Amino acid sequence: EPEVTQTPSHQVTQMGQEVILRCVPISNHLYFYWYRQILGQKVEFLVSFYNNEISEKSEIFDDQFSVERPDGSNFTLKIRSTKLEDSAMYFCASSERNQPQHFGDGTRLSIL
Amino acid sequence: QKEVEQNSGPLSVPEGAIASLNCTYSDRGSQSFFWYRQYSGKSPELIMFIYSNGDKEDGRFTAQLNKASQYVSLLIRDSQPSDSATYLCAVKTGGRNTDKLIFGTGTRLQVFP
Repeated sequence: EPEVTQTPSHQVTQMGQEVILRCVPISNHLYFYWYRQILGQKVEFLVSFYNNEISEKSEIFDDQFSVERPDGSNFTLKIRSTKLEDSAMYFCASSERNQPQHFGDGTRLSIL
Repeated sequence: QKEVEQNSGPLSVPEGAIASLNCTYSDRGSQSFFWYRQYSGKSPELIMFIYSNGDKEDGRFTAQLNKASQYVSLLIRDSQPSDSATYLCAVKTGGRNTDKLIFGTGTRLQVFP
């Protein structure tokens, strides 16, 4: 069964450094998403992406965040200057139109 | 603020029993409803989705939707210890080209032998 894949599984970064989280969505999916989950809290929507542009973003997704689809397969989330409170699990998801979203295994981001 | 509410639990049921998980949502315009299972430290895994009022069954799982009451539930029949996990209710909102999910906090289910 096709899967969403995310790399790395765990990223440790110093505060203030830039980090890029990578995702390979399911190949025939056109809608892409990033969510995050702070330890012990609910899954929160960050951003959705369709047709090479952001469709919607949450209040969390400020100027420090950006997304890109640099080629036909990868979908990335960049945090320019990480803060301690960015420590969380980051999940990529993808879907077809009007179909359920499928999640990758996530990247655990630890900011020191 | 669109909200999805769940009892955090834990809900403890014996092996073989029916587990009933409940969820309410605030946005009356919501159209699609999802149940995800999340094991500790893992990602959400889709279990069921439902779009229309009534019941939808898939194996041991039944999703129930009542839009008038803004209520979604998940029944797990013949519960197994391997069903022990956190069950996340998610509601789809959004416009033409976005389908963001709003998640509840999840209900932790414990199935004991």
